[in-house]
Amino acid sequence: AQTVTQSQPEMSVQEAETVTLSCTYDTSENNYYLFWYKQPPSRQMILVIRQEAYKQQNATENRFSVNFQKAAKSFSLKISDSQLGDTAMYFCAFMAPDSSYKLIFGSGTRLLVRP
Amino acid sequence: GAGVSQSPSNKVTEKGKDVELRCDPISGHTALYWYRQRLGQGLEFLIYFQGNSAPDKSGLPSDRFSAERTGESVSTLTIQRTQQEDSAVYLCASSLSHRGPYGYTFGSGTRLTVV
Repeated sequence: AQTVTQSQPEMSVQEAETVTLSCTYDTSENNYYLFWYKQPPSRQMILVIRQEAYKQQNATENRFSVNFQKAAKSFSLKISDSQLGDTAMYFCAFMAPDSSYKLIFGSGTRLLVRP
Repeated sequence: GAGVSQSPSNKVTEKGKDVELRCDPISGHTALYWYRQRLGQGLEFLIYFQGNSAPDKSGLPSDRFSAERTGESVSTLTIQRTQQEDSAVYLCASSLSHRGPYGYTFGSGTRLTVV
């Protein structure tokens, strides 16, 4: 069974600084997808960034980038130039390409951006 | 509609009562998912609907939980004889099936409190 582990329950960063959130996963699959979702107090899950396991190049979306280490089964999220609006829960998620495309989530990291 | 709509936003019920939670997916989205999020935890997959195919019910935690969806329209998640451990946020997501991992859109969830 696939599992996703986020070992940092809470993180704090000064506005404009850079922060890295950790995520590791366990799977025997070779082809899969990885995601980072943001959940603000509104509860709606917002996709931050995604990575296809067959792509070696790390995904980047503006201030957000990932460090994908397939052999180590590690998928960390780097937020550059942190903004107050980045304060939220962040969840790492895994998806195997089976017929259901269901997501398996980690337990989340609460990020606080300090002014 | 423009997004995934869930109702009610919040629900307080007495232990032992039945509850129904509703999800209106984005028009045209053939895939629909229900997830449960307990306090301080990540999302757990409950059930998946795809068009008129048999649903994937592998995540339902007990036979007190059931869900229905007619075609590609509204879905209802029913919890019978609610227990305190059912207290959680229940999130719905929909997707265009052919987009698989690229098309998830989440609703804002229903917070269920069993007293």
